[in-house]
Amino acid sequence: DSGVTQTPKHLITATGQRVTLRCSPRSGDLSVYWYQQSLDQGLQFLIQYYNGEERAKGNILERFSAQQFPDLHSELNLSSLELGDSALYFCASSVWPSYNSPLHFGNGTRLTVT
Amino acid sequence: SQQGEEDPQALSIQEGENATMNCSYKTSINNLQWYRQNSGRGLVHLILIRSNEREKHSGRLRVTLDTSKKSSSLLITASRAADTASYFCATDATSGTYKYIFGTGTRLKVLA
Repeated sequence: DSGVTQTPKHLITATGQRVTLRCSPRSGDLSVYWYQQSLDQGLQFLIQYYNGEERAKGNILERFSAQQFPDLHSELNLSSLELGDSALYFCASSVWPSYNSPLHFGNGTRLTVT
Repeated sequence: SQQGEEDPQALSIQEGENATMNCSYKTSINNLQWYRQNSGRGLVHLILIRSNEREKHSGRLRVTLDTSKKSSSLLITASRAADTASYFCATDATSGTYKYIFGTGTRLKVLA
């Protein structure tokens, strides 16, 4: 058990809808990362937060947004969903500074857009 | 573009054999990490090697890092069926941003 909790585990929704994915980082970790993994693909970095502040941004679509709250949990909001947004969305956490610390991954949220 | 690229994309070996997978990256890094992912599950950290290290061991795992060639290799010795998984390397794309970039992975299948 990595200590990172992601909810929900599965999400099925229709095109055009909006969903919110939630992540609780491992106890003591201040940094949260979001990644997208499409079928049989690698992980695409979306965004990183540290202690409530955005620190790094990847190829995150404008339809996607995220935030980290004072209690350090994070939410990833996906809106105007398209079929191509169907993927596994992973949250990971690490201590700060994280450049010499491993990432601890949750088990992901599997999003299916129909 | 992806910072890390693993090679081969897929590897199939017999139980007891060694498995070697490689990772190449493009820019200067602080460290390189290897992760394992069982089908549809979250990634599990295996080993971290810093840019000033050349080799690191952890159990049956051996990782090497060649910063001059911008490459790393992961060796799994005496493989087991339970090692069947996808293996990813991850690097920090730009020093100081802590933005870990993953490659597309090597799918390892160990046949019993």
